[in-house]
Amino acid sequence: NAGVTQTPKFRVLKTGQSMTLLCAQDMNHEYMYWYRQDPGMGLRLIHYSVGEGTTAKGEVPDGYNVSRLKKQNFLLGLESAAPSQTSVYFCASSSHRTWGVPDTQYFGPGTRLTVL
Amino acid sequence: AQTVTQSQPEMSVQEAETVTLSCTYDTSESDYYLFWYKQPPSRQMILVIRQEAYKQQNATENRFSVNFQKAAKSFSLKISDSQLGDAAMYFCAYRALNTGNQFYFGTGTSLTVIP
Repeated sequence: NAGVTQTPKFRVLKTGQSMTLLCAQDMNHEYMYWYRQDPGMGLRLIHYSVGEGTTAKGEVPDGYNVSRLKKQNFLLGLESAAPSQTSVYFCASSSHRTWGVPDTQYFGPGTRLTVL
Repeated sequence: AQTVTQSQPEMSVQEAETVTLSCTYDTSESDYYLFWYKQPPSRQMILVIRQEAYKQQNATENRFSVNFQKAAKSFSLKISDSQLGDAAMYFCAYRALNTGNQFYFGTGTSLTVIP
């Protein structure tokens, strides 16, 4: 199993450009999440999904859109990138419970995005 | 909204010694779960230990243990016999199962292990 994968690993954008980050998981997890990590601020939830075809806003959703057309994929889009969106982005997935034990999140390796 | 607070941005420990990282949280839920994650320089987030709120017994995983004080809403991580490989950022996280299944993270504690 690959677990959670993210594409790409690095990206540099100019202000105003758009891009899509792809997250894929092969663990049949119901829940998927997108976070951004900035120095001194920990992980902040951007959007999440509790199932195929559903998405919800997290703590910092402005400037981002998401889609979950397939259970295994969760896409994060930036329509018009801004320097404030320079960050490391993590995707994660989770099940509700595994063998009766509340499941943790499984994280992808992260994407470092720089917006100039 | 739930909040998770880690009041120690940086900590250091001598190799083979014990260190405790603190975490407090705020919630009105009764059923929730707490986690400690480790993030080494590779950026990969690694689960260290988890605790179910309904369990009074503190979780342990080898050299890692927690001190869970539900009434005080405190969840500290103790690392015994610290090793150089323990150097990393440590994040405390909270998960409520009945309200959205979101995870809430603290701002992290950077742990340095001194040889």
